[in-house]
Amino acid sequence: GDQVEQSPSALSLHEGTSSALRCNFTTTTRSVQWFRQNSRGSLINLFYLASGTKENGRLKSAFDSKELYSTLHIRDAQLEDSGTYFCAAGRGSALGRLHFGAGTQLIVIP
Amino acid sequence: DPKIIQKPKYLVAVTGSEKILICEQYLGHNAMYWYRQSAKKPLEFMFSYSYQKLMDNQTASSRFQPQSSKKNHLDLQITALKPDDSATYFCASSQDNYAEQFFGPGTRLTVL
Repeated sequence: GDQVEQSPSALSLHEGTSSALRCNFTTTTRSVQWFRQNSRGSLINLFYLASGTKENGRLKSAFDSKELYSTLHIRDAQLEDSGTYFCAAGRGSALGRLHFGAGTQLIVIP
Repeated sequence: DPKIIQKPKYLVAVTGSEKILICEQYLGHNAMYWYRQSAKKPLEFMFSYSYQKLMDNQTASSRFQPQSSKKNHLDLQITALKPDDSATYFCASSQDNYAEQFFGPGTRLTVL
């Protein structure tokens, strides 16, 4: 089926440490978006990638459309990074549908 | 100022009733969407619109009807509400159907 497999499902990081989240795609993916959902439920745009890598502060994301995966690296984790991270795949059709992963619940521990 | 407005923020309804969820975007985008997030489930695509025309529909039930009265509006009418319809409904928009999507704050619907 058309799935987006996101891992890990949950992650605890001590402040100042780093880790990576991953999404595997089961079919051709044209673009990927990464979001953080905060405690109020708002979805915050982190990255939109059609290929390659992007970096924004302590966050860096990569997308390999041939190998069908994307990663989100969090460096020097801070308390405000806590939340649920979602990746979403765009298939490139004119229909615009995003296919979401199940999310990674990140807790940053002081 | 918020660029995507959803109203109301919270909504409680009784089984069998009808509600309309409002979405307005002020980003100048041509495509708009509805997604649903139920407890313990990932976000699920419902509808996509482009230039006020329905492009894709992933909702099996006809109880869910999008309504686009203006280019920057995409409301969602839900009839004959059921407890299973309880979820947070997110509206989103993008420049076109290939571009980055931005999400509104959501409407949390509870059906009793």
